[in-house]
Amino acid sequence: KNQVEQSPQSLIILEGKNCTLQCNYTVSPFSNLRWYKQDTGRGPVSLTIMTFSENTKSNGRYTATLDADTKQSSLHITASQLSDSASYICVVSYQTGANNLFFGTGTRLTVIP
Amino acid sequence: SAVISQKPSRDICQRGTSLTIQCQVDSQVTMMFWYRQQPGQSLTLIATANQGSEATYESGFVIDKFPISRPNLTFSTLTVSNMSPEDSSIYLCSVATGQEYGNTIYFGEGSWLTVV
Repeated sequence: KNQVEQSPQSLIILEGKNCTLQCNYTVSPFSNLRWYKQDTGRGPVSLTIMTFSENTKSNGRYTATLDADTKQSSLHITASQLSDSASYICVVSYQTGANNLFFGTGTRLTVIP
Repeated sequence: SAVISQKPSRDICQRGTSLTIQCQVDSQVTMMFWYRQQPGQSLTLIATANQGSEATYESGFVIDKFPISRPNLTFSTLTVSNMSPEDSSIYLCSVATGQEYGNTIYFGEGSWLTVV
């Protein structure tokens, strides 16, 4: 069964600290993996997209890694800011096509001063 | 990039009524989708909105409950019919653009419906 699991479910960190969010998937065949940020009451916004041949991709203070062999990805946030408080969603495509997406339930990150 | 506008952004609806959500994109896009996100849950694809033809629904979703229109390449509507409290969700319009692998996928701001 194609699944995407994220951990932790929620996380609270102090402003300025780093954190890492995890995504494990069983989707096969794998096409690409995306990380989205979703503020409360807003639509998801793309952070990164990676194919199986990419190990890491950065977008400012966000760095995503991918191990296609172990089917694991992580999103590392450096020097967190209050505005980073949001849900982070891992999305995996099992073949090329925008309607072949599997969504994780997200990690709810809260950054406190 | 694509900028997506959804209306309404939020509404409180009476049980048994229907509500139509509009999605407007600032450029022509081939692929347009509607998602539902129930409280604390991940996104679930409702259907692919096809321009000029009937929408393609995912398992568990039917046209009578979620009729969709796609009159052109920049606009679509989703109607949630005969609403019940279980339909309280965020409904998201999404588009895919570009030629690269898997396309770039954008989401609207969502329409937050509460059924009472």
